[in-house]
Amino acid sequence: QKEVEQNSGPLSVPEGAIASLNCTYSDRGSQSFFWYRQYSGKSPELIMSIYSNGDKEDGRFTAQLNKASQYVSLLIRDSQPSDSATYLCAVPPYAGKSTFGDGTTLTVKP
Amino acid sequence: NAGVTQTPKFQVLKTGQSMTLQCAQDMNHNSMYWYRQDPGMGLRLIYYSASEGTTDKGEVPNGYNVSRLNKREFSLRLESAAPSQTSVYFCASSEWGTNQPQHFGDGTRLSIL
Repeated sequence: QKEVEQNSGPLSVPEGAIASLNCTYSDRGSQSFFWYRQYSGKSPELIMSIYSNGDKEDGRFTAQLNKASQYVSLLIRDSQPSDSATYLCAVPPYAGKSTFGDGTTLTVKP
Repeated sequence: NAGVTQTPKFQVLKTGQSMTLQCAQDMNHNSMYWYRQDPGMGLRLIYYSASEGTTDKGEVPNGYNVSRLNKREFSLRLESAAPSQTSVYFCASSEWGTNQPQHFGDGTRLSIL
């Protein structure tokens, strides 16, 4: 079982819509959670970190964390074609395991 | 501020050749990692170094060796390259045990013929 599971996607939304990306994790002891964006042919880029239950907003991005349900999500409001990428959910590394989800590929259609 | 720097960016090898991928970080992080990413697949951890002087196997270590040269540098060596090692290799760094995220280099695109 992977440490982090994501909706396999792909996800397609029209420009201006809200894109919702979801992630579950297996380790109840995880204290922090990260969202990375990876454009095709590029390296993962950290876009959001969240450490406590609730919502964290940064511009058009909102991360939501529910530790009781072991669930973290990323909402992208007013989606733009430039948001088209693969989004990776992650927890901090430990014990020699990759702690990244496999990613959800988002396409925003003009 | 360069962050994590990987060299080379591209490399083509023949089966059986050896090579070393270089990685250096200037963020004073204690921990460094090597991942491979194959088309349509997630990041798989090859080796990691929690701190200077230590290295440990990740999920897919076979066919690879690593050296933590100092706090800044962590190299990955393919002793006898095989076509199955064709992949994109990413180096990352972070602070271990502090709930901080990893930061990635730009990657090395390696093809083995």
